[in-house]
Amino acid sequence: KAGVTQTPRYLIKTRGQQVTLSCSPISGHRSVSWYQQTPGQGLQFLFEYFSETQRNKGNFPGRFSGRQFSNSRSEMNVSTLELGDSALYLCASSWQVNTEAFFGQGTRLTVV
Amino acid sequence: GQQLNQSPQSMFIQEGEDVSMNCTSSSIFNTWLWYKQDPGEGPVLLIALYKAGELTSNGRLTAQFGITRKDSFLNISASIPSDVGIYFCAGQADSWGKLQFGAGTQVVVTP
Repeated sequence: KAGVTQTPRYLIKTRGQQVTLSCSPISGHRSVSWYQQTPGQGLQFLFEYFSETQRNKGNFPGRFSGRQFSNSRSEMNVSTLELGDSALYLCASSWQVNTEAFFGQGTRLTVV
Repeated sequence: GQQLNQSPQSMFIQEGEDVSMNCTSSSIFNTWLWYKQDPGEGPVLLIALYKAGELTSNGRLTAQFGITRKDSFLNISASIPSDVGIYFCAGQADSWGKLQFGAGTQVVVTP
């Protein structure tokens, strides 16, 4: 069974641009969560989707948004990028909401 | 912000030694998870705990769900170089609540 797949693995963007990251969950998993990881802040919860509905949301500005498709694949979008958005963005999937979440390898975003 | 307190923040140990770390919460959790993260990779699930008092092993790793439901412990026995990494605890208060993560414990193993 394939694990959680995140694309792309690495991304370099300039300030002001927008970016879309993709996550394909483990087959059969319907819950997808997104996290931002930085050295100083650890793992910060962004949002969580279950059956195409956002179930939980973290404390991030509206520039961060996400969605989930009917096949459970999820995307997150960050608009008007800032230098501080540079981070490892992790996606996790689980069968139910946030139980035994399995992580992908992450997308390393660098904003210059 | 995070409500889990994970300690210690870092550990420098010699190969063969045992390692212990713990997480405490201000609120009751129904689920405790322990993850390990290698540099540049996503966290990998090590152990999942679902019942107060539960003690679960995965090879040289042993984790326990505290009876107060507000803490959990992870022990690594006879450490080896590949145990190097950051270990995270995560807890969930209810079925629909988000997972909350500790700040991580950096483990360094010296030969």
